[in-house]
Amino acid sequence: KQEVTQIPAALSVPEGENLVLNCSFTDSAIYNLQWFRQDPGKGLTSLLLIQSSQREQTSGRLNASLDKSSGRSTLYIAASQPGDSATYLCAVSNNNDMRFGAGTRLTVKP
Amino acid sequence: EAGVTQSPTHLIKTRGQQATLRCSPISGHTSVYWYQQALGLGLQFLLWYDEGEERNRGNFPPRFSGRQFPNYSSELNVNALELEDSALYLCASSLGRGRTEAFFGQGTRLTVV
Repeated sequence: KQEVTQIPAALSVPEGENLVLNCSFTDSAIYNLQWFRQDPGKGLTSLLLIQSSQREQTSGRLNASLDKSSGRSTLYIAASQPGDSATYLCAVSNNNDMRFGAGTRLTVKP
Repeated sequence: EAGVTQSPTHLIKTRGQQATLRCSPISGHTSVYWYQQALGLGLQFLLWYDEGEERNRGNFPPRFSGRQFPNYSSELNVNALELEDSALYLCASSLGRGRTEAFFGQGTRLTVV
């Protein structure tokens, strides 16, 4: 069974800092890895999707990388803003399901 | 284009009753995933439907069940409700049996009293 771990569980940074969120998974036989953000009590918003054959994806201030062989992904957020405050989740998909990590709760202080 | 829609937004039931939650995927999407998110906890995988078939289910008791209709919309049924079933229930849809980007609805908040 796929296990997904996210580190750190919580992170607080001042506005303007660059930061890295980490995601690791135990089974490298994946279709893709997806990063989401979730605001309190809301659904999930898709940020980036990396297919298993890709190494990274970029969208605006976000860059996600994937190292399938080592079971790791990172989400890099440049020049963080208070509006980036949310919980960030990674999910890995394979032929059985889509499994989530517990998330990293990010707070960006003005 | 409409996103994933879930209904109802909120649902209040008493212990022992049954709850039915509904999910309409993005047009053309054939896969629907269901998750339970209890307060302050992560997303727990419940069920995955693709092209009308149940592909996998998570570690939940049989009183959690569902189905997918020919138009790919889906229903989650929870029988014999317990207090600990109170949670946000989220559904997601995607194309191609999990090989493409998944999109989530806003969830159904189920409260069992």
